[in-house]
Amino acid sequence: KNQVEQSPQSLIILEGKNCTLQCNYTVSPFSNLRWYKQDTGRGPVSLTIMTFSENTKSNGRYTATLDADTKQSSLHITASQLSDSASYICVVVSGGSYIPTFGRGTSLIVHP
Amino acid sequence: NAGVTQTPKFRILKIGQSMTLQCAQDMNHNYMYWYRQDPGMGLKLIYYSVGAGITDKGEVPNGYNVSRSTTEDFPLRLELAAPSQTSVYFCASRAEAGVSTDTQYFGPGTRLTVL
Repeated sequence: KNQVEQSPQSLIILEGKNCTLQCNYTVSPFSNLRWYKQDTGRGPVSLTIMTFSENTKSNGRYTATLDADTKQSSLHITASQLSDSASYICVVVSGGSYIPTFGRGTSLIVHP
Repeated sequence: NAGVTQTPKFRILKIGQSMTLQCAQDMNHNYMYWYRQDPGMGLKLIYYSVGAGITDKGEVPNGYNVSRSTTEDFPLRLELAAPSQTSVYFCASRAEAGVSTDTQYFGPGTRLTVL
């Protein structure tokens, strides 16, 4: 069964600090992995998309990494801001399938 | 562009009632999706469409129906509402493009409560 596990479930950090969120998956065959940011009461917004051949991708202060061999991904947030407070969702898409598998998300709270 | 729009934003239904959740996009995207998000859970795909006139079931289609008569609109129909359908519903769309540009755009969601 395809699964996406994210850790930690929640995280509290101080403004200006860095943090790293983890995503492990068992989806097979693999097509691509996406990270989304979801603000409270809003729809998810895409941060990064990575295919099998990509092992890192950046979007401003967000950097995602992918290790397709160990089936792990991470999202690193640099110099956190209050506006980074949100849920971060890891999504893995199987090759040849239109059905993505969503993780439950990591809830990040950035305190001043 | 307005992007992906959804109506209504909130709705309370009684058990057994029916309703249609509206979704529209103005980006000329071929692919459209309906998801539900239960508290503390990942989004689950209900139905999707790869173009006008073509729809297919996702992971959790039971209790729902969809239609895609135009590229822009993708309504989701609940025929006999049940408490288990209490959730937040998101519509999304993406262009038919290569994976590197395959961004999925989500609407703001509809919060549905069935009592």
